[in-house]
Amino acid sequence: GDSVTQMEGPVTLSEEAFLTINCTYTATGYPSLFWYVQYPGEGLQLLLKATKADDKGSNKGFEATYRKETTSFHLEKGSVQVSDSAVYFCAPANDYKLSFGAGTTVTVRA
Amino acid sequence: EPEVTQTPSHQVTQMGQEVILRCVPISNHLYFYWYRQILGQKVEFLVSFYNNEISEKSEIFDDQFSVERPDGSNFTLKIRSTKLEDSAMYFCASSDYGPRLEQYFGPGTRLTVT
Repeated sequence: GDSVTQMEGPVTLSEEAFLTINCTYTATGYPSLFWYVQYPGEGLQLLLKATKADDKGSNKGFEATYRKETTSFHLEKGSVQVSDSAVYFCAPANDYKLSFGAGTTVTVRA
Repeated sequence: EPEVTQTPSHQVTQMGQEVILRCVPISNHLYFYWYRQILGQKVEFLVSFYNNEISEKSEIFDDQFSVERPDGSNFTLKIRSTKLEDSAMYFCASSDYGPRLEQYFGPGTRLTVT
């Protein structure tokens, strides 16, 4: 089945720092790719998506590009804020389900 | 903005009891899912449901689990005889055109089995 390897956390950054969270996946076929975010005490929110190779998903200053040749979907943000502190999940989707990575906990300090 | 809702937010039950977790998906969505997250672990797929039948289920979704869409708005997950290891956060999700497009998640039900 599909699987995801995410950069291990926790990641601690200062405000305005650059954030990268690496994600690589293995999947049968041609999955859609998603990043979900879970803020403390809350559920899962869709952050961004890409459905085909070379697509760039973006939202709230975050970006990720679907790289089919390297089976990667790394998440980046140029200048993080304290409010970006959360757990980030990379998740490919096949015809039936999402397969989540282990999650990367990001803490941004003022 | 439409959202997925789940009730209750927290359920405490004794081992061996039956529980029903309830979800109201987004109204025009056709695909429904349950996932769970054991504390400190990753989110795991349980089951997907479309056109009144299960599309796929994981190995976690054994005979103790069942899903139902009893009317036009609710989607339920039943655990027939709960075990301690069923303690987790259970998330319902829905999507309109299938799993390859975005799934929208509810806030979750925290199930505690004692």
